[in-house]
Formats: sequence, C-alpha cells, structure tokens
Amino acid sequence: AQSVTQLGSHVSVSEGALVLLRCNYSSSVPPYLFWYVQYPNQGLQLLLKYTTGATLVKGINGFEAEFKKSETSFHLTKPSAHMSDAAEYFCAVLDSSYKLIFGSGTRLLVRP
Amino acid sequence: KAGVTQTPRYLIKTRGQQVTLSCSPISGHRSVSWYQQTPGQGLQFLFEYFSETQRNKGNFPGRFSGRQFSNSRSEMNVSTLELGDSALYLCASRTGSQGAREQYFGPGTRLTVT
Repeated sequence: AQSVTQLGSHVSVSEGALVLLRCNYSSSVPPYLFWYVQYPNQGLQLLLKYTTGATLVKGINGFEAEFKKSETSFHLTKPSAHMSDAAEYFCAVLDSSYKLIFGSGTRLLVRP
Repeated sequence: KAGVTQTPRYLIKTRGQQVTLSCSPISGHRSVSWYQQTPGQGLQFLFEYFSETQRNKGNFPGRFSGRQFSNSRSEMNVSTLELGDSALYLCASRTGSQGAREQYFGPGTRLTVT
C-alpha cells in the first residue's frame, strides 16, 4: 500500500529564509507525487506535481521539489520565504485507482 | 475557466439529520472525487465518480453516499449525522483523460454537526 510521511507538523522560518518541507513516500510502483497548499478556510491548491521525466519540478509561487527515488523523497523548497507563504502544505501520492493519499500536513509559519 | 465550486460553503446540522453537499467540477472534467478533512484523521478519500458511475470508494460507512449527474455535477449525502461527521468536505475534479492525473479542489463545505 502507498503512504506518505511528512516530517514536522510545524515548521517556522524567518522571512527571506529558505523553506524546506519534507515528504517521504512509500510506493511499490513508480509514484505520481503532488504538493498542495491550503490557506485558512480554503480548499487545496495544487503547487506542483511529479509524474515522469525531470526530477526537479518547478511549481507556482517560486516553489520547487526534487524527486529522489533512492531516498523515496519529494521535499518541497523555496529559496526565500514570504509572509504570504504561511499556510498548511500537504504532500500526496496518487494510487493506481486515482485516489490521492495525503500526508498529515506541515504548517508553515513565517516570522517577520 | 471557472474552478471547482461547492455549495453550500458552511452548514450546521443536528445529530440524526441528513445533509446533501453539491460540487460542480471544472468545465470539461468528467471525474469528481470527494475527501473528508478533519483535525484528527487528516484528509481521507470518500469516493470517486466518473461518467455517473462510482469507480472507487474509501473506507466510510454506508451513511456516506454520492452520485453524479450527466453534466458531471456531483452530490454527496450523509444520512443520520453523527458528531464525528463534522469536517471540511472537499471535492476535486480531473479531466478523466488517460494520463491526466492532477486533481483540482474546490473551497470545501464546512459541516458542523451539533
């Protein structure tokens, strides 16, 4: 069965600092991986996706993620945090029946 | 292109009542999935509908049901509400085409059961 683990339920960074949100997956088949962001009282917005091909994936709002098969990881990064990045971030893997399996989420706090 | 819309956005119901939530997918999308989000259990898959047929179902009791109409709009019904059904219910749509794997979410319906 596929699963996703997000290390750190809360991450706090200073404005302008590097953002690193960790995601590890478990999958017996080549995975399709996604990062979503959720702002308060809103739904999930797709940040980026990995399906096949290039392992470094660029998304919206300056975020990117690198797929590392050997480490079964798909960590999300952004070089410089903005106050507007404060939100909850979810990593997800798509199973063979097109069901998304989500991690437990990481809440990002950006300090001024 | 308009995004996924869900109505109502907020709902308060009493235990034992039933509720129907509605989801309109992005134009041209034929697949609609429903997810439940709670602080304790996180995001959990409820079911998926494609071309009016339920294709996949999560591990939820039979009180949770859904349907999809010919215009791809979907409804989700919860009968005999329990306090634990309080959650944010999210709908997601995708094209349904081979290889199109990304799902786009609506704003959700916040259900509170008292």
